Amino acid sequence: GPKVLQIPSHQIIDMGQMVTLNCDPVSNHLYFYWYKQILGQQMEFLVNFYNGKVMEKSKLFKDQFSVERPDGSYFTLKIQPTALEDSAVYFCASSPDWENTLYFGAGTRLSVL
Amino acid sequence: SQWGEENLQALSIQEGEDVTMNCSYKTYTTVVQWYRQKSGKGPAQLILIRSNEREKRSGRLRATLDTSSQSSSLSITGTLATDTAVYFCATLNYNQGKLIFGQGTKLSIKP
Repeated sequence: GPKVLQIPSHQIIDMGQMVTLNCDPVSNHLYFYWYKQILGQQMEFLVNFYNGKVMEKSKLFKDQFSVERPDGSYFTLKIQPTALEDSAVYFCASSPDWENTLYFGAGTRLSVL
Repeated sequence: SQWGEENLQALSIQEGEDVTMNCSYKTYTTVVQWYRQKSGKGPAQLILIRSNEREKRSGRLRATLDTSSQSSSLSITGTLATDTAVYFCATLNYNQGKLIFGQGTKLSIKP
């Protein structure tokens, strides 16, 4: 089936540093998402993105977070500066239509020390 | 069942048994999706059921949707050890275009 790739699979950084999580979505998809998951628990919505713009963001999407997809390249989540509570697995997903299936990547495990 | 402030539900059954997982949701939705997440992987969709469908089947899976009670269920017949995973229901927030996941049910199948 369609594949969403996330790079890197694991990132370890010191608190206060900047981190960029990269996502290569399915090529013909138009909607992009980031979710946060702590310790295999609930998938928590962060943000969705369409046509170069953020459509909706949750309270978890703090001011230190930003997303972009310049010129159809990677869909990125940047956190600057990072905090200890940002440690989690971040999942990227893409969808051809907002009412349709989301295809998830394998996640990036972010460890903030 | 999953949703709200409930902790992650856990079920443990023998291989070959049937199982039903329930989900209730709070806000209006036109779509309920069921996802399975295996250890160390991202969620993968199993079934998508729309508000005009009461039941949908896919192989050993059967999903139901009752919009009047705002609840959905996922049944697996003849479970296999490979069905061990966390199962999430997710509803689409129509106005915001976001998929909201429930707390999940951790299903363990003993061989």
